Amino acid sequence: GAVVSQHPSWVICKSGTSVKIECRSLDFQATTMFWYRQFPKQSLMLMATSNEGSKATYEQGVEKDKFLINHASLTLSTLTVTSAHPEDSSFYICSATTGNQPQHFGDGTRLSIL
Amino acid sequence: QKEVEQDPGPLSVPEGAIVSLNCTYSNSAFQYFMWYRQYSRKGPELLMYTYSSGNKEDGRFTAQVDKSSKYISLFIRDSQPSDSATYLCAMSVGSGGYQKVTFGTGTKLQVIP
Repeated sequence: GAVVSQHPSWVICKSGTSVKIECRSLDFQATTMFWYRQFPKQSLMLMATSNEGSKATYEQGVEKDKFLINHASLTLSTLTVTSAHPEDSSFYICSATTGNQPQHFGDGTRLSIL
Repeated sequence: QKEVEQDPGPLSVPEGAIVSLNCTYSNSAFQYFMWYRQYSRKGPELLMYTYSSGNKEDGRFTAQVDKSSKYISLFIRDSQPSDSATYLCAMSVGSGGYQKVTFGTGTKLQVIP
């Protein structure tokens, strides 16, 4: 149980384009989803917390207009990296929870901006 | 000072060895402690979830929490090559998945056949 699917797993795109990453909870309804960013040999850095039907709460230093988060249903949240640049290249991971259980993570999306 | 400190390793052990992974933390308000396993280019997988001080065992894995020392450990018995991964400790103040979780940087473990 508690399966979280993330898509795509790897994306390469040109600088200036926008990229959308999807996070789905497959067998449970996720009241809350989280988006993290992970650099090589570093810990997961929380970017934002997303509750279904409401605006995401962003961590300090994370640009809201750069990283658009939508949590339109209890099983789907999306992260859109707008006008992506090489410094946005990273490993993006989502997690989901019903609230009563620890977070369950997707397999991440490796984003490479050329 | 980071809230959670974890030796990045790498830690190399022979197959069958007992592995000890550790984290220290500075925030005495942390009450919920987790260990995640992360394979290369994959998301973290929850291994253990414990509350407050004490031990919890699950198969070959044992998690220990010493709140007085602000120190947590994960022991892996009879380690296998398939245990080779990065192990992340994590902790939160409150219960429930919606609580903000603070992660360590992870310890890379290699179990050599």
